[in-house]
Amino acid sequence: AQSVTQLDSQVPVFEEAPVELRCNYSSSVSVYLFWYVQYPNQGLQLLLKYLSGSTLVKGINGFEAEFNKSQTSFHLRKPSVHISDTAEYFCAVSPLMEYGNKLVFGAGTILRVKS
Amino acid sequence: GAGVSQTPSNKVTEKGKYVELRCDPISGHTALYWYRQSLGQGPEFLIYFQGTGAADDSGLPNDRFFAVRPEGSVSTLKIQRTERGDSAVYLCASSLSTGGYTDTQYFGPGTRLTVL
Repeated sequence: AQSVTQLDSQVPVFEEAPVELRCNYSSSVSVYLFWYVQYPNQGLQLLLKYLSGSTLVKGINGFEAEFNKSQTSFHLRKPSVHISDTAEYFCAVSPLMEYGNKLVFGAGTILRVKS
Repeated sequence: GAGVSQTPSNKVTEKGKYVELRCDPISGHTALYWYRQSLGQGPEFLIYFQGTGAADDSGLPNDRFFAVRPEGSVSTLKIQRTERGDSAVYLCASSLSTGGYTDTQYFGPGTRLTVL
């Protein structure tokens, strides 16, 4: 079984400041890792994913995440946030399997960007 | 093109009633997933369809929950004898599922179910 822990339920930050949203996971098998974003009144949208290869993954809107296997972490970062980044961010894992990749989500982190 | 659509967007029902929630996946997507998101939590997997068949229904909480996808496109999630604890946002996602297990899932806006 897999589990995902997002260590912060809310992260307030000022505009143009850097931000890091933390994610740790637990799994007995290899997994793929994802970050999804949910803007107010919208559906979940994929931000980035790690499948294999370079542990630093770049996504949309200037976000990036680094996979750390030894620490079982996949923290999301952005060097300079905008007001429009205000949203809820979900970290998710998917166990390797032949068909389908059901996602196991964390509880989410609300990023509030203040001017 | 059109994304994943879900109807209704909101559903209010009384305890004990039967409800159906509909999902229209992206055209050509053979994989379809249902998730449930309770207040303050992340989405929780319910069931996965590959074509018309349920390939994994391990997330359905009990036998009051059932889902179908008879023609491999539209899917309906059915909940019998609803309980207040069923109140949540029900999310549907679809993916190409060309045989690779890394396909991106595209989510619909969800159906907010409230059981009074």
